[in-house]
Amino acid sequence: DTGVSQDPRHKITKRGQNVTFRCDPISEHNRLYWYRQTLGQGPEFLTYFQNEAQLEKSRLLSDRFSAERPKGSFSTLEIQRTEQGDSAMYLCAIPRLGGYTFGSGTRLTVV
Amino acid sequence: AQSVSQHNHHVILSEAASLELGCNYSYGGTVNLFWYVQYPGQHLQLLLKYFSGDPLVKGIKGFEAEFIKSKFSFNLRKPSVQWSDTAEYFCAVNLNSGYSTLTFGKGTMLLVSP
Repeated sequence: DTGVSQDPRHKITKRGQNVTFRCDPISEHNRLYWYRQTLGQGPEFLTYFQNEAQLEKSRLLSDRFSAERPKGSFSTLEIQRTEQGDSAMYLCAIPRLGGYTFGSGTRLTVV
Repeated sequence: AQSVSQHNHHVILSEAASLELGCNYSYGGTVNLFWYVQYPGQHLQLLLKYFSGDPLVKGIKGFEAEFIKSKFSFNLRKPSVQWSDTAEYFCAVNLNSGYSTLTFGKGTMLLVSP
């Protein structure tokens, strides 16, 4: 149990389709982060929320990406018109225990 | 913008060998430093962290790291590795200001042969 649940664990989609991932922290924290990890790279920051407000987005987050945290608890990340370059592990994290706790991630494969 | 450099992408060691993984960061400010580990098929787990105080920090599973401010380094060490330490290790840094975003290095894949 990581303290952060992500769903689905794996997603295979055809290029051009839309996908949505969900992140559910077990414990509440006003901050929630999304990262992306590709093969051979460390996690790269995408965006973060302070409660419901999306406060920062990286340049990696193109306009095909949208994230929400409607009630300040769970969060969703949607990718529209997926491209092969979107294939990656998408990670969610919250501050916890003096550091950051990461979920197991959603592995997206775009074919 | 901050950056984190991990010197070795792959390290192969025999059991009982000593380990040192290098990490340097570039950041113009007071930072927090972290080492995370990712075992095969598992999620990222925090090994240890440095916020302030004693620059030698001890983490789980016998790992330790030393913060050398003058060298902008935070190297990870373990005196004697085990086969079960086979994993990918990531160094990360953030601003010492609330819960700011983490910047990760590219990771070092450690393979320990029995």
